[in-house]
Amino acid sequence: DGGITQSPKYLFRKEGQNVTLSCEQNLNHDAMYWYRQDPGQGLRLIYYSQIVNDFQKGDIAEGYSVSREKKESFPLTVTSAQKNPTAFYLCASSLEYSTEAFFGQGTRLTVV
Amino acid sequence: GEDVEQSLFLSVREGDSSVINCTYTDSSSTYLYWYKQEPGAGLQLLTYIFSNMDMKQDQRLTVLLNKKDKHLSLRIADTQTGDSAIYFCAETPGGDYGGSQGNLIFGKGTKLSVKP
Repeated sequence: DGGITQSPKYLFRKEGQNVTLSCEQNLNHDAMYWYRQDPGQGLRLIYYSQIVNDFQKGDIAEGYSVSREKKESFPLTVTSAQKNPTAFYLCASSLEYSTEAFFGQGTRLTVV
Repeated sequence: GEDVEQSLFLSVREGDSSVINCTYTDSSSTYLYWYKQEPGAGLQLLTYIFSNMDMKQDQRLTVLLNKKDKHLSLRIADTQTGDSAIYFCAETPGGDYGGSQGNLIFGKGTKLSVKP
């Protein structure tokens, strides 16, 4: 089945550690995105990538890094520089000019 | 800058109609969307409307767009308990984002509670 997969569903890390969230899609989509969701805040764009080996900062990129070495994969690293990393992270993908973005099921990151 | 506003909560009785409202600020938006999020899950696209349309109907869902007032609404007819979720309004911003639909500006979501 085609889709977009995020793993793991739940992730716990100690403060000060970097952690990488996985996002894989087999939809042959060019564009991929990372959003952060906090209660009462809606979704905020962290990074996006329109094509392999290229990505741009979104609205809240500080403390995060990404790579896009393969079309199918867009991992997000939450670094120790991110002051408040506990949140629900959503990955999405779309054909560049499509009318529909497909979302993964999300990863809930808790930093203790 | 772009902004999308929604009320945070809506409560209805099963079988009634639900109307979720949204206002946006970017007059150059090309598409406007409604997404549904069930607890602990990702977002599911419910429907979308192109900015040159006034209305779109899809089974129990009706989307109304008032471009002059920058107001979007989602009406769910015969609301069921399975419709309980958070509903997000989103727009595709114009300008530097290049028109790719994934660069969406989201509202904060309206939590719909359906009582039996």
